[in-house]
Amino acid sequence: DTEVTQTPKHLVMGMTNKKSLKCEQHMGHRAMYWYKQKAKKPPELMFVYSYEKLSINESVPSRFSPECPNSSLLNLHLHALQPEDSALYLCASSQDSSGNGEQFFGPGTRLTVL
Amino acid sequence: GENVEQHPSTLSVQEGDSAVIKCTYSDSASNYFPWYKQELGKRPQLIIDIRSNVGEKKDQRIAVTLNKTAKHFSLHITETQPEDSAVYFCAASIQWGFQKLVFGTGTRLLVSP
Repeated sequence: DTEVTQTPKHLVMGMTNKKSLKCEQHMGHRAMYWYKQKAKKPPELMFVYSYEKLSINESVPSRFSPECPNSSLLNLHLHALQPEDSALYLCASSQDSSGNGEQFFGPGTRLTVL
Repeated sequence: GENVEQHPSTLSVQEGDSAVIKCTYSDSASNYFPWYKQELGKRPQLIIDIRSNVGEKKDQRIAVTLNKTAKHFSLHITETQPEDSAVYFCAASIQWGFQKLVFGTGTRLLVSP
């Protein structure tokens, strides 16, 4: 299995809702990433997990809360989001120990905050 | 931190022509430079990458060159085809194990039949 999967594909939520995005990979990768991509812009790194430990938080607001329950799963918990948080949220994974692997991206979750 | 500039923002070519996209980076410690292709509504996909110990890499119609002294790298696509139409992103990273990719602003390539 050489794919990163993400659920849901689309999500519409209100500013008071709590929701979660899920990402899964079965390639044995030990580094996993969350990116945010606005329309016609490049992906922007949010978080990096390495061996299930949070390694990088790019000063992301606390209304975004990442979680890595195990080496195959990555979640992004959302709470009290703002309309400007509407974007495509991409998950990616790569081999960590060797550092030579490419980042494989998932198809993304398109989030709309009303 | 790292900053990556990418030019041009749009590029229109005729089928069969060559296309060149250029990027510059700021952090001399960056050692990994991937190029991603993103079609409309799809995920970014790696098309080629290069590491700082290599000056050039080629894969069929695609090649990447790296000039560490000038801190710039370029993507070359030869014999372009309509299916090459997409947005192309360059990126730079220091690779300790995981990668902290910083992306360029993207180039929209349109190949006309």
